[in-house]
Amino acid sequence: GAVVSQHPSWVICKSGTSVKIECRSLDFQATTMFWYRQFPKQSLMLMATSNEGSKATYEQGVEKDKFLINHASLTLSTLTVTSAHPEDSSFYICSARDPGVIDGYTFGSGTRLTVV
Amino acid sequence: AQSVTQLGSHVSVSEGALVLLRCNYSSSVPPYLFWYVQYPNQGLQLLLKYTSAATLVKGINGFEAEFKKSETSFHLTKPSAHMSDAAEYFCAVSPGGATNKLIFGTGTLLAVQP
Repeated sequence: GAVVSQHPSWVICKSGTSVKIECRSLDFQATTMFWYRQFPKQSLMLMATSNEGSKATYEQGVEKDKFLINHASLTLSTLTVTSAHPEDSSFYICSARDPGVIDGYTFGSGTRLTVV
Repeated sequence: AQSVTQLGSHVSVSEGALVLLRCNYSSSVPPYLFWYVQYPNQGLQLLLKYTSAATLVKGINGFEAEFKKSETSFHLTKPSAHMSDAAEYFCAVSPGGATNKLIFGTGTLLAVQP
């Protein structure tokens, strides 16, 4: 089946630094990827929709200059948290649409970001 | 706008008992509905999905769900709970079409008692 690889699985960074999270579709081409954020014991909140070769579409309230999304190829999307602060600490999960499956969504394993 | 409501943030059952996790949806277009399971510090795994075919959907690990349009529900069931079923369960809706994004419910944490 479709596999999405997300790296790193966890990262600790200092406040003010930037962190990049990668999301790769391993055996299919994903024209669309999604980035979610999940706070402890809460649901997944969609941050943005990433389309290959075009600008990402951000959900209301998400700072596009803080959460930079790049989808330069059909198998890779990256989320960069710029100038991270402790309140950015969260679990980030990516998801890729498999165009060969009716509403097929495959999720990465998530990245636990801790900003200290 | 599409949304899902999961009734009960915590559900506890005994091992071997019936599992029933509730999900109601709101959608202005025919919805696609999903159930996902999440284990601690992991991504989401698809249990099953409804995409306008059979209303009774069978998924992995013995789970199934029935789409009831009249009740706008898509409840998840399993006849006999296993300890390994303890996890967080999310119901999600997709309007399909151009947006293709998933809207998640708030989740239900299932505990299985020995």
